[in-house]
Amino acid sequence: QVQLVEYGGGVVQPGGSLRLSCTVSGFTFSDYGMHWVRQAPGKGLEWVALIWYDGSNKYYADSVRGRFTISRDNSKNTLYLQVGGLRVEDTALYFCARGHTTTWYSFDYWGQGTLVTVSS
Amino acid sequence: EIVMTQSPATLSVSPGDGATLSCRASQTISSSLAWYQQRPGQAPRLLIYGASTRATGIPARFSGSGSGTEFTLTITSLQSEDFAVYYCQQYDNWPPLTFGGGTKVEIK
Repeated sequence: QVQLVEYGGGVVQPGGSLRLSCTVSGFTFSDYGMHWVRQAPGKGLEWVALIWYDGSNKYYADSVRGRFTISRDNSKNTLYLQVGGLRVEDTALYFCARGHTTTWYSFDYWGQGTLVTVSS
Repeated sequence: EIVMTQSPATLSVSPGDGATLSCRASQTISSSLAWYQQRPGQAPRLLIYGASTRATGIPARFSGSGSGTEFTLTITSLQSEDFAVYYCQQYDNWPPLTFGGGTKVEIK
């Protein structure tokens, strides 16, 4: 079955950085675009970034562009999000999600998330 | 950026009753709309894509309709596991991909 498992979250000071990872199984990773979506505590969902199946194109929300970098290693079935220049408002549960088989830009499978807390 | 607005923010429903959730886009998005369910402490789950197509394994009591700027998620005969927060998301004009603020369906 399809599984996505995120890790790498933690507590970091403002201005700090982390690398989030998402390891997948149960499908051919290199066939799918992948996304990061975040959810601040008690708030709604916010799309963060998208990377195409082959890594050739990357897109970001304005709120993170220039500070976050999405990447992937298809040989390791792993998606990454390098988060830097962290702000208090980046505190959130970060989900990785697979782009839908048909539409690519909705999300058909999600991980359980990894929590990033930005605090001094 | 396309702004998605969901209403109501909270919907109180008795088990076995039906529920109708609304989602409005700030500009036309054709049928490029998805609905998700998020239960407490869980990741979101895709319910509907293409405004009206149920995702794999989603019960028939969930249905989606609409196109353009006005969309509806209808849940018939609510079960205990249906009490959750529901989000709509547009994927017609991006980046960014955008979500509505959510509708919480609670037990009346």
